[in-house]
Amino acid sequence: SAVISQKPSRDICQRGTSLTIQCQVDSQVTMMFWYRQQPGQSLTLIATANQGSEATYESGFVIDKFPISRPNLTFSTLTVSNMSPEDSSIYLCSVQGLQETQYFGPGTRLLVL
Amino acid sequence: SQQGEEDPQALSIQEGENATMNCSYKTSINNLQWYRQNSGRGLVHLILIRSNEREKHSGRLRVTLDTSKKSSSLLITASRAADTASYFCASNQGGSEKLVFGKGTKLTVNP
Repeated sequence: SAVISQKPSRDICQRGTSLTIQCQVDSQVTMMFWYRQQPGQSLTLIATANQGSEATYESGFVIDKFPISRPNLTFSTLTVSNMSPEDSSIYLCSVQGLQETQYFGPGTRLLVL
Repeated sequence: SQQGEEDPQALSIQEGENATMNCSYKTSINNLQWYRQNSGRGLVHLILIRSNEREKHSGRLRVTLDTSKKSSSLLITASRAADTASYFCASNQGGSEKLVFGKGTKLTVNP
């Protein structure tokens, strides 16, 4: 299984600011995934981050709002830009391991005031 | 978009009882996975069942898959207070690695 860490684990931010979330994996992976989990809700995929190419965004999510970097095979960042209270969520990254199992990071809990 | 529907949305049982959670999906899948989430933390992978499998066991967990009904169930036997968590099913479609999550079931096991 993959070991995934995320930074920060939580943050409280003011509206209009931006926050960059880091995701580090202990092994090289082709694809990394970023999810959002709004309060009391399930997970929704934001985008798939591929090393060496632009991230692929899901319907309803755009690069200007959620820019993603993927500089190498073990690291990715997700930025939540120009935040509003509606962006208050848990943000999780994941990778696919052997036999199609996905492993998740511990999540970043974001509160926007 | 979410394609999985889970029921019940919330389940409260006593320690020692069994807990059954159901999940339905809408399109063809390669596999279906179940995850546990404690108190809004990261997800823990529990079990994966492939589209050509009907039943799978792992410890106190039993998962079934009925592709004709596009549904799956997760049974936790002899529940413990530590099983209190939210449980999600997730599936990927065709050759995609993307997971589509169900809405989840919040399980409370009372000591």
